Amino acid sequence: DVKVTQSSRYLVKRTGEKVFLECVQDMDHENMFWYRQDPGLGLRLIYFSYDVKMKEKGDIPEGYSVSREKKERFSLILESASTNQTSMYLCASSLLAGVGVHTQYFGPGTRLTVL
Amino acid sequence: QKEVEQNSGPLSVPEGAIASLNCTYSDRGSQSFFWYRQYSGKSPELIMFIYSNGDKEDGRFTAQLNKASQYVSLLIRDSQPSDSATYLCAVSALYKAAGNKLTFGGGTRVLVKP
Repeated sequence: DVKVTQSSRYLVKRTGEKVFLECVQDMDHENMFWYRQDPGLGLRLIYFSYDVKMKEKGDIPEGYSVSREKKERFSLILESASTNQTSMYLCASSLLAGVGVHTQYFGPGTRLTVL
Repeated sequence: QKEVEQNSGPLSVPEGAIASLNCTYSDRGSQSFFWYRQYSGKSPELIMFIYSNGDKEDGRFTAQLNKASQYVSLLIRDSQPSDSATYLCAVSALYKAAGNKLTFGGGTRVLVKP
């Protein structure tokens, strides 16, 4: 079974703090993704990565950065947290090729509150 | 216009009945189609995917794809209270080197009443 884990289920931070959200997958997937999910807005892609040290902006990258130093780990960084970044953050991973390609598997999510 | 459209619901279904969920998409180049189930406060979990026109069955779930009409649906047979959740339709499209950016619909909330 694919396993995607996220560093925290719940996180409370203050405005202006630097926040790190970490995601680890154990299935040797090439692709990793960060989404945020808000009521009424659905799932929105922040960033994704298709290889170590490679990254691509998604639909809403402003205010975020990412890091992928190892294949299994993908970090989302909020450089200076703001209250409008309060959300559920979801990490996902998928294969680049082969059977089941494009299928994304999600971690449990991190509910971030910025005060 | 949203790229992937779903009726937000709620879709209320009696226990034991068939729930029918619909999804339309705008990108004719879309290649892969997914249905995810998401319980309140939890992350999405994959139900099934479909690549070819026609029907694909997996247990009580059947996905139907019609690329000409840009339409994908999910049928849930013998609906159970545990099927009460939000169902997300997702469509993949070629995107730079990654090749598999998923675009999600807003989800349909399903309520199965005993």
